[in-house]
Amino acid sequence: IAGITQAPTSQILAAGRRMTLRCTQDMRHNAMYWYRQDLGLGLRLIHYSNTAGTTGKGEVPDGYSVSRANTDDFPLTLASAVPSQTSVYFCASRDNGGYTFGSGTRLTVV
Amino acid sequence: GENVEQHPSTLSVQEGDSAVIKCTYSDSASNYFPWYKQELGKRPQLIIDIRSNVGEKKDQRIAVTLNKTAKHFSLHITETQPEDSAVYFCAASKSGGSNYKLTFGKGTLLTVNP
Repeated sequence: IAGITQAPTSQILAAGRRMTLRCTQDMRHNAMYWYRQDLGLGLRLIHYSNTAGTTGKGEVPDGYSVSRANTDDFPLTLASAVPSQTSVYFCASRDNGGYTFGSGTRLTVV
Repeated sequence: GENVEQHPSTLSVQEGDSAVIKCTYSDSASNYFPWYKQELGKRPQLIIDIRSNVGEKKDQRIAVTLNKTAKHFSLHITETQPEDSAVYFCAASKSGGSNYKLTFGKGTLLTVNP
């Protein structure tokens, strides 16, 4: 692993199903973030974690949950997916400068 | 919270011309301003950043300027090339430390025509 790894790369999900997007980093960064990217809306923060064991809500948290059991992993869960959650999801981490982003997960909820 | 406005939303230039993208922010306590480049289907990547203790920073063909009084900052790309075509995002936060979240502008689609 080098940097941040996200999985899966893409997914088609039936509405109402539960889904966990995985994010793992090997840089020992304390802070991690989940953003969704939608055309014309830019990058919007869903949830964040400043350090292992803590999490916080971002701009668009409804319908999503996160956990931060350790420094490396920051999974994002959709408890019951809806079509409006169709988006590209980026995980990111930060040390003392800008973010390092994962390669993204393209999620389609049908 | 912080609000970042970015203009223009699209920009088309001829190869060799300069391109300028402007952003304004609302929180006077913000002091860290990065710029990201996102190519189609790729992740955003940091291309340059500036902190509030300097007014300008340059890296080859890319420069960023900051006006703290007016609360705006700009990205300047000189001698544009087709490979500069991408979406560019500005962002702002209160600190470069890990406890502060970045707020992003909505992006500028730059097209460089050969």
